[in-house]
Amino acid sequence: GAGVSQSPSNKVTEKGKDVELRCDPISGHTALYWYRQSLGQGLEFLIYFQGNSAPDKSGLPSDRFSAERTGGSVSTLTIQRTQQEDSAVYLCASSLAITGNEQFFGPGTRLTVL
Amino acid sequence: AQSVAQPEDQVNVAEGNPLTVKCTYSVSGNPYLFWYVQYPNRGLQFLLKYITGDNLVKGSYGFEAEFNKSQTSFHLKKPSALVSDSALYFCAVRDPSGGSYIPTFGRGTSLIVHP
Repeated sequence: GAGVSQSPSNKVTEKGKDVELRCDPISGHTALYWYRQSLGQGLEFLIYFQGNSAPDKSGLPSDRFSAERTGGSVSTLTIQRTQQEDSAVYLCASSLAITGNEQFFGPGTRLTVL
Repeated sequence: AQSVAQPEDQVNVAEGNPLTVKCTYSVSGNPYLFWYVQYPNRGLQFLLKYITGDNLVKGSYGFEAEFNKSQTSFHLKKPSALVSDSALYFCAVRDPSGGSYIPTFGRGTSLIVHP
């Protein structure tokens, strides 16, 4: 079946521009996560959505970062006024909202801020 | 609070030899533990998990891991390594008693299997 998809796969932007990253989770998965992976670093949690509950935004590094999830499915991560330190791979994952379930990851979006 | 450590940035092993990738964790209660693998330019793929039950867990591609509560470890193992096992491996932990559905990931261990 279809896995988690993300678009674009690569994004190059200029410092100060806004970018939108998209995630399509697996159908029926009510939990959705965004992570950031920098070179040589582990996964940095950004934000978590669960059904219709308020998202857990505790990992967002600054107010330039925001995310939404429409209709409990597709999610977009928006970074405003991008900075060079925002350059990283942004990973999306989804899972069934049953305790103990593993996450399914998308291929990621590689963001490069010039 | 929950935390996980992967003490080795890189593990080198010869093809056909057994491999071990180490992971230790810290949680308040009983942990949920996961291993994921990441191949170049790909997302993470789930390998195996420990939730409850048998301490030895078997997963994809011949990998297994042993939950050791006294040593707070969950090392990943494979009896005979393949060159195609070369990848980045992540351990993750979640403390269900903490009320969060957000796992904490280790920094990753790069496994290099030499022909």
